Amino acid sequence: QKEVEQDPGPLSVPEGAIVSLNCTYSNSAFQYFMWYRQYSRKGPELLMYTYSSGNKEDGRFTAQVDKSSKYISLFIRDSQPSDSATYLCASSGGYNKLIFGAGTRLAVHP
Amino acid sequence: GAGVSQSPRYKVAKRGQDVALRCDPISGHVSLFWYQQALGQGPEFLTYFQNEAQLDKSGLPSDRFFAERPEGSVSTLKIQRTQQEDSAVYLCASSPRGTGELFFGEGSRLTVL
Repeated sequence: QKEVEQDPGPLSVPEGAIVSLNCTYSNSAFQYFMWYRQYSRKGPELLMYTYSSGNKEDGRFTAQVDKSSKYISLFIRDSQPSDSATYLCASSGGYNKLIFGAGTRLAVHP
Repeated sequence: GAGVSQSPRYKVAKRGQDVALRCDPISGHVSLFWYQQALGQGPEFLTYFQNEAQLDKSGLPSDRFFAERPEGSVSTLKIQRTQQEDSAVYLCASSPRGTGELFFGEGSRLTVL
């Protein structure tokens, strides 16, 4: 079993939809939780960064961490075609090693 | 530019050849990471440097893989006697001291024939 599990999708939604992306993790020592977005043939770019449990909002993006259930979520409101990408969740117990999920491919169609 | 720079972007090697991949991190970033990303998968940790010290190399898949960062800035990932299973995108990331935020380069795509 991988330490971070993520449904690879693909997920296809119409423009304007609310998108929900989810991951689970198994290591109770994980304290840092991140979402990265990766466009085709590009490197991952950091979207959201959360320490411990709780919610964090940035524009159309909301990240949630529930440490009791080891569940990580990313919500995208008013999705746009430019949001079409692979979304990677990642967790770590410290600064030295991020463990990534497999990534969920999202397609937002006009 | 101000981002992480990797070269070459694309490399085709014959099985058995040695390859070297270069990473130029963001200036001032103390931490440097190498990740391997297979097609359709998330990045897998290979190794981590803090300045010139290699603090974690637990992800290197075999002794054919070697990484160095001799002056605490530019890093090189070397793969000896490449095999077909080494075909992947090799991502370099850097991070400022005291945060877990990684800034990735665009990767070096290695194809071993």
